[in-house]
Amino acid sequence: EVQLVESGGGLVKPGGSLRLSCAASGFIFNNAWMNWVRQAPGKGLEWVGRIKSKTDGGTTDYAAPVKGRFTISRDDSKDTMYLQMNSLKTEDTAVYYCTTNGVHYGSGSYYYYYYGMDVWGQGTTVTVSS
Amino acid sequence: QSVLTQPPSASGTPGQRVIISCSGSSSNIGNNYVFWYQQLPGTAPKLLFNNNNQRPSGVPDRFSGSKSGTSASLAISGLRSEDEADYYCASWDDSLSGWVFGGGTKLTVL
Repeated sequence: EVQLVESGGGLVKPGGSLRLSCAASGFIFNNAWMNWVRQAPGKGLEWVGRIKSKTDGGTTDYAAPVKGRFTISRDDSKDTMYLQMNSLKTEDTAVYYCTTNGVHYGSGSYYYYYYGMDVWGQGTTVTVSS
Repeated sequence: QSVLTQPPSASGTPGQRVIISCSGSSSNIGNNYVFWYQQLPGTAPKLLFNNNNQRPSGVPDRFSGSKSGTSASLAISGLRSEDEADYYCASWDDSLSGWVFGGGTKLTVL
């Protein structure tokens, strides 16, 4: 069964740092392109960023509100993706979801865009408050 | 302000057909696929169907999607009480190089 499990959420003060993890199972992680999506309390969904597979360059892309503060990385030996969050602001308070695209069908850019974000974790909550 | 525009709310009675709209631009919906998500209270979003019309287990074929130009819509037929949820549209945006979402539509079954 394809599964994503996030961890590492918690309470942090403004200006602080936190690292989230996303443990994957049930598919070939090192071929998968992965995303982070967040949802502030009572608000809609917001894409945070993505990391491509190392085969496809391992590059990252970020949404404007987090660029320069957040870093996505992956450890394929542990089937785990990370989100390093620095210089946290109160507006970063949200549930953070790990997602992936089309891993039931294949890997690479075609599957990423054709199948969309079709696997989601349960989310981990980050609260930024003094 | 979301890049994709959805009505904040929609409603219907059991058995009715409800349509939720999603409006975008040529950099997202106009040139890319559109996806629809259902989010029940306190749970993670769930993709309703993919471009092959395949559905996760438990998602009935009462849910269907369509696209025309830079707009898309989600139709729910034979409305049931368990369909009460938040619905989001999403698409890749070529200009922003990222996924964009609608602000979400809260569906109420009267």
